[in-house]
This record gives sequence, C-alpha cells and structure tokens, in this order.
Amino acid sequence: EIVLTQSPGTLSLSPGERATLSCRASQSVSGSYLAWYQQKPTQAPRLLIYGASSRATGIPDRFSGSGSGTDFTLTISRLEPEDFAVYYCQQYHISPCSFGQGTKLEIK
Amino acid sequence: EVQLVESGGGLVQPGGSLRLSCAASGFTFSDHYMDWVRQAPGKGLEWVGRSKNRDASYTTEYAASVKGRFTISRDDSKKSLYLQMNSLKTEDTAVYYCAAFLVGTPYWGQGTLVTVSS
Repeated sequence: EIVLTQSPGTLSLSPGERATLSCRASQSVSGSYLAWYQQKPTQAPRLLIYGASSRATGIPDRFSGSGSGTDFTLTISRLEPEDFAVYYCQQYHISPCSFGQGTKLEIK
Repeated sequence: EVQLVESGGGLVQPGGSLRLSCAASGFTFSDHYMDWVRQAPGKGLEWVGRSKNRDASYTTEYAASVKGRFTISRDDSKKSLYLQMNSLKTEDTAVYYCAAFLVGTPYWGQGTLVTVSS
C-alpha cells in the first residue's frame, strides 16, 4: 500500500504570498497518476492538478504541480483570498488508491 | 461534458444495508475505471474501491475497511456504477463520491450522504 504524507499539516500565509505544499509517497508513484485537489467546507473536492503537473480545466495558472518518484509539490504562486482551503494529494494508479491526510491553508 | 450523479444516500440503522448509484454521462462509460471515495464528517478522503473496465475483466478492488461488506458493480448498458453496502457501521457515515478516470484525468460527482445511526 502506498502511503502519502502531506506537509505541513497547516500552512499560515497572507494573500499575495507564495504557498508550497508537499506530498511524499512511501514508494515510487507514477507521475501520470498523481493528483491535487482543493476542498472548501461543504463542497466536493475540486481537481486542480492531474498527472502531477497538468492543470485541470479552468484552474488559474497561479497553481502549478511538479515532482516525480516519491516527492511531489503543489505551488500557488500568489495567494488569492479564495485559495484558503484544504488541499489533498492522491495517487490513483495502484490499488489501494490513497490520499494524503491534507494540508490546511489558512489566512495568517 | 463529463457528469457523474450519485444517488441513494440516506439514514440507515447499524447493521442495515443501502445501495448507492452513480449515473454517468459525457463519456464512453464501458472504457473506463470507476472508483468510490468517501469522506466522514470532518475527516479526510478515503478510497473505498474500484471497478475496472471490460478490458480488465471488470475486476473489483476494495479498501480493507469495507472488504467483505461492500460490493461494487456496474451496468455498462445503463452507464451506471453501484455500491451495495451491507452490515453498515456508524463509522461508515460519510459523503460517498463516485469518480471516473478518463485518460489519466479524474472526474468526481457531487456526492451523496450516508448516515448510519440508530
């Protein structure tokens, strides 16, 4: 089973700052099957990045994904007020598919 | 446009059963893997299981937490995915989402709430 560990658990930043979120896998993950989601209270997860670095339709270019193997990163270049939410990574290639525990991005 | 619409959630007593459905549109359903994912109140996302496509012999896979109690099936003619949940426990209370994987891109529905309580 591939375990995904996200860090930090909580990230406190101000609008306009840069956010860097990490997702580390317990074994190598095919980058083609690594996704990032944003979730706000009472809403379904929203796909941001798939294939480790491809932005989903309609996602602003301030969101970018990178990484390979066991280390993946979601970067938000300049935080907007609507970006404060919980972020999850997911590997969806090898069953059991797995999610990280989430990073809460909060306003400082 | 890809659409996934879950239904069938509700309140059920511990030990009871419930069947969820996921209606798909906007893509060739039979070609693709489909997953169920859940999220308990205030918790993170948990993968429940997968239905592979015809090329993979419709193989199903399950999380350890539901194996033996939950069964995933699909009807390609109706473009529908199902989750039969038996022997439900209070810890199965969650929003249940179905997800499709099209050329490496995940698509999710809006979810249906299952509450297991006496």
